[in-house]
Amino acid sequence: GQSLEQPSEVTAVEGAIVQINCTYQTSGFYGLSWYQQHDGGAPTFLSYNGLDGLEETGRFSSFLSRSDSYGYLLLQELQMKDSASYFCAVYASNYQLIWGAGTKLIIKP
Amino acid sequence: DGGITQSPKYLFRKEGQNVTLSCEQNLNHDAMYWYRQDPGQGLRLIYYSQIVNDFQKGDIAEGYSVSREKKESFPLTVTSAQKNPTAFYLCASSAYTGAETQYFGPGTRLLVL
Repeated sequence: GQSLEQPSEVTAVEGAIVQINCTYQTSGFYGLSWYQQHDGGAPTFLSYNGLDGLEETGRFSSFLSRSDSYGYLLLQELQMKDSASYFCAVYASNYQLIWGAGTKLIIKP
Repeated sequence: DGGITQSPKYLFRKEGQNVTLSCEQNLNHDAMYWYRQDPGQGLRLIYYSQIVNDFQKGDIAEGYSVSREKKESFPLTVTSAQKNPTAFYLCASSAYTGAETQYFGPGTRLLVL
């Protein structure tokens, strides 16, 4: 089967750094995406890794190691508005995006 | 402003009833998708369309049907054959299938009476 594993919940303090890990097992691999979803809202795209290494976009960075079937999302200088669920998703084919169950990020003042 | 609209925001279905969820995009995207999200879970693909007049089943297509008669529109019908339809339904689009970014509509929450 195809599966993605990510922690169900992570807690961090405002201003701190947090890392959300994702391991995957899929029949094919084209790339790893990260999406943010606030409660009751729609997912919004954060980043994409097609090749190994680190991608940086402002306070957010994403890393991929294809040999380890592993990636992570790094959020720096946490703000209260970053409280949301974060999903990793793998392109297992040119149309099929397989989603993890999501990590709920709780930020404390 | 370009984007994706979904309607209605909330939808109630009675037993044995078919209901249709609307999805419209003005991003000029070729590819469109329908996902289902259950509480505490990730998104699961119901149907996708690469181009007008074409659509393909995703992982959980049973009990659902779609059409793609216009580039901008990709309505989803939840039929009476779908026995557990209560969920959050999300429509998305991308420039083409496999594009890095999928853009999502605000979603429709379907509840069964």
